[in-house]
Amino acid sequence: EVQLVESGGGLIQPGGSLRLSCAASGFTVSGNYMNWVRQAPGKGLEWVSVIYSGSGTYYADSVKGRFSISRDNSKNTLYLQMNSLRDEDTAVYYCAREIPSGIVGPIYVMDVWGQGTTVTVSS
Amino acid sequence: DIQMTQSPPSLSASVGDRVTITCRAGQSISNFLNWYQQKPGQAPKLLIYAASTLQSGVPSRFSGSGSGTDFTLTINSLQPEDFATYYCQQSYTTPRTFGQGTKVEIK
Repeated sequence: EVQLVESGGGLIQPGGSLRLSCAASGFTVSGNYMNWVRQAPGKGLEWVSVIYSGSGTYYADSVKGRFSISRDNSKNTLYLQMNSLRDEDTAVYYCAREIPSGIVGPIYVMDVWGQGTTVTVSS
Repeated sequence: DIQMTQSPPSLSASVGDRVTITCRAGQSISNFLNWYQQKPGQAPKLLIYAASTLQSGVPSRFSGSGSGTDFTLTINSLQPEDFATYYCQQSYTTPRTFGQGTKVEIK
């Protein structure tokens, strides 16, 4: 079964660090685009970061220089290292696989999502 | 970054109604437009991709249309399980961007 399971969330003080994990099963993280998407309480979806199958990475401006995305191919796990956390980073963090849809472009879709892990930044 | 603007932010409808949600991109994105459904406490679920292609397993009462900058998600004969929040998302470029969501509530 294709599945993503996040872990690592919790309560952290402003300025602190946290590492989120996203364990994949049924496919390899190394062979796919893998994203982190977050959702602040009562708010919409905000894309955070992507790591491509070729290992290139991109970040939203709001987290650039503070967050780092990586993967461990031997563990088939995606990570998000979050440093210098701020109140506004409080959110549910989802990992999501992004694949080509088969439509010419190619048009990519986030077809598999984890259940999310909650990060609360508060003193 | 490409801004995605959805309307309305919320709507109330009854079971059996036809519902239309619009999404406008800040620049042309051809048909690089996806729709997701999110229910409370759950992860988003892919509904429609490439503006009009239904994801496998999604009921045929859902449909999408549009190209360029203007897109529409239509739900024909709204069912109780359709009450949720719907997001559009462009996959034309990175960073991926989402609309702010449209909450479909029971009237």
